[in-house]
Amino acid sequence: QTVVTQEPSFSVSPGGTVTLTCGLSSGSVSTSYYPSWNQQTPGQAPRTLIYSTNSRSSGVPDRFSGSILGNKAALTITGAQAEDESDYYCALYMGRGIWVFGGGTKLTVL
Amino acid sequence: EVQLLESGGGLVHPGGSLRLSCAASGFTFSTYAMSWVRQAPGKGLEWVSSIGGSGGSTYYADSVKGRFTISRDNSKNTLFLQMNSPRAEDTAVYYCARNDYGDFRWGQGTLVTVPS
Repeated sequence: QTVVTQEPSFSVSPGGTVTLTCGLSSGSVSTSYYPSWNQQTPGQAPRTLIYSTNSRSSGVPDRFSGSILGNKAALTITGAQAEDESDYYCALYMGRGIWVFGGGTKLTVL
Repeated sequence: EVQLLESGGGLVHPGGSLRLSCAASGFTFSTYAMSWVRQAPGKGLEWVSSIGGSGGSTYYADSVKGRFTISRDNSKNTLFLQMNSPRAEDTAVYYCARNDYGDFRWGQGTLVTVPS
């Protein structure tokens, strides 16, 4: 069974840059997996930030960007703000209509 | 504006059944795939099921296959999830989402509790 891997936690200073990654337990992530990055603050519904590797969803600030770095999908936050402190979940399309979410990364801004 | 409003959550005993609904507005419902994603208390997101725009294609996570059924009524802009024989591990907030190649538009969720 394929597992989508993410860093459990990360921290960044206000104004700093951080890159979160999304990998596979076996194999490499490519654009064919349509990587999606979703942000969730406690008690709220998730919100999609990035889809199809590097497309920004409607209304998402341009400090959020997506890419493929090596064999993983990546979400980069440039100029982190306090309000970016959230859980971040990547999702990958496995084909045949199936999506798999990673375990999430808890981002602390301090 | 895309709006998705889930309903139908609540307490359901193991072996019972429950049907979740999701009323959609603000977009042409029949042209989009739709998904259900759940989140157990204190845990991460888990994709549950998806359905194509016409309703002709359905997909399920192994954890719910054979027990849950996704469907849609395009004349009423409504998505459904029929939950049969639920288990304690199905306890979660269930989110309805419009799914456009990973550009999820999310509802606010409905809580389903299955006591052990």
